[in-house]
Amino acid sequence: DGGITQSPKYLFRKEGQNVTLSCEQNLNHDAMYWYRQDPGQGLRLIYYSQIVNDFQKGDIAEGYSVSREKKESFPLTVTSAQKNPTAFYLCASSRQTLQETQYFGPGTRLLVL
Amino acid sequence: EDKVVQSPLSLVVHEGDTVTLNCSYEVTNFRSLLWYKQEKKAPTFLFMLTSSGIEKKSGRLSSILDKKELFSILNITATQTGDSAVYLCAVEATAAGNKLTFGGGTRVLVKP
Repeated sequence: DGGITQSPKYLFRKEGQNVTLSCEQNLNHDAMYWYRQDPGQGLRLIYYSQIVNDFQKGDIAEGYSVSREKKESFPLTVTSAQKNPTAFYLCASSRQTLQETQYFGPGTRLLVL
Repeated sequence: EDKVVQSPLSLVVHEGDTVTLNCSYEVTNFRSLLWYKQEKKAPTFLFMLTSSGIEKKSGRLSSILDKKELFSILNITATQTGDSAVYLCAVEATAAGNKLTFGGGTRVLVKP
């Protein structure tokens, strides 16, 4: 089946620790995105990538890093510089043609211990 | 800075009622407006609107866009408990990468 997978479903982070969230898609989509969702709020864009080996900062990139070494994969690292990382993280992908819909993965909930 | 505002923040209705959700936006170089339904986890796509005045329908859901007044509405008729969810509005501008700006969402609870 084609789709987007995210792992883990839940992730716990200790103070000062970097953690990496996985996002994989087999939809042959060129573009991938990471969003953060806080309780009762909409989604905010962290990073996005239009093509392999290239990515751009979104609205709230500070404290996060990404890589795009393969078309299928767009991992997000939450660094120790992100002081308030507790949130629900959603990965999405889309084709690059105009007006294409973004499809979302199931999400990862990150909690700080 | 692009901005998307949804109203109301939340509402409670009974099965069979009709609900109308609002989404207003301020975006430079508007391309499209999208509606998503989010139940427990990932948002699922409902509609994409690009032209003013053309209603899109899917079953009991419909949506329309007004590009002059910069808003969209999402209607749900004959609501069912399965319609309970957060409804998200997002606007795409002609920036690189199909970037979306989301509103804060409207939480709808449909009681039996």
